[in-house]
Amino acid sequence: EDQVTQSPEALRLQEGESSSLNCSYTVSGLRGLFWYRQDPGKGPEFLFTLYSAGEEKEKERLKATLTKKESFLHITAPKPEDSATYLCAVQAQGGSEKLVFGKGTKLTVNP
Amino acid sequence: SAVISQKPSRDICQRGTSLTIQCQVDSQVTMMFWYRQQPGQSLTLIATANQGSEATYESGFVIDKFPISRPNLTFSTLTVSNMSPEDSSIYLCSVELTGRSTDTQYFGPGTRLTVL
Repeated sequence: EDQVTQSPEALRLQEGESSSLNCSYTVSGLRGLFWYRQDPGKGPEFLFTLYSAGEEKEKERLKATLTKKESFLHITAPKPEDSATYLCAVQAQGGSEKLVFGKGTKLTVNP
Repeated sequence: SAVISQKPSRDICQRGTSLTIQCQVDSQVTMMFWYRQQPGQSLTLIATANQGSEATYESGFVIDKFPISRPNLTFSTLTVSNMSPEDSSIYLCSVELTGRSTDTQYFGPGTRLTVL
């Protein structure tokens, strides 16, 4: 069964304090790994898709990386507006479009 | 991306009643999905709804409890039937857009359901 585990569950940072969020996964053939951002009361907002080990993608202060077993979301010099819950999901090969999500990491960035 | 709206945004319902949630997208899409997000839990796929065919349900979800309609390429509904407090959750629809090298799911804002 495909599984996604995110850590930590919650993370508090001071503005400007860089850190990383972890997403460990087990999947029967990875088709894609997705990162989303979710603000309270809203639906998940798409950030990145990664397809193969070694791939990296960047967007503003965020950089996502992928290995064969895990993905990291690096946040460089975060700002309070980066506060949100970050969700990781995997999609397996084999035809199904199903996304399997982790429980998310709730990030709080204090000014 | 796509602009996705859901109605209602939230509702409080009595046990034993049913609620129909609507999902509207601003472009034609083949695949639409319904997810549930329970407090403290991960998003879980309920079913996949393709236009012109019966919805495909994930393990643990049945059509009698969560009937789905997909009348055209921009609209879908999910009904939560005979509700109990355990159905209190956020229900989200998503659509899949196909790009040059990626198929990405984009989510609506969600419907927050409370069952008393």
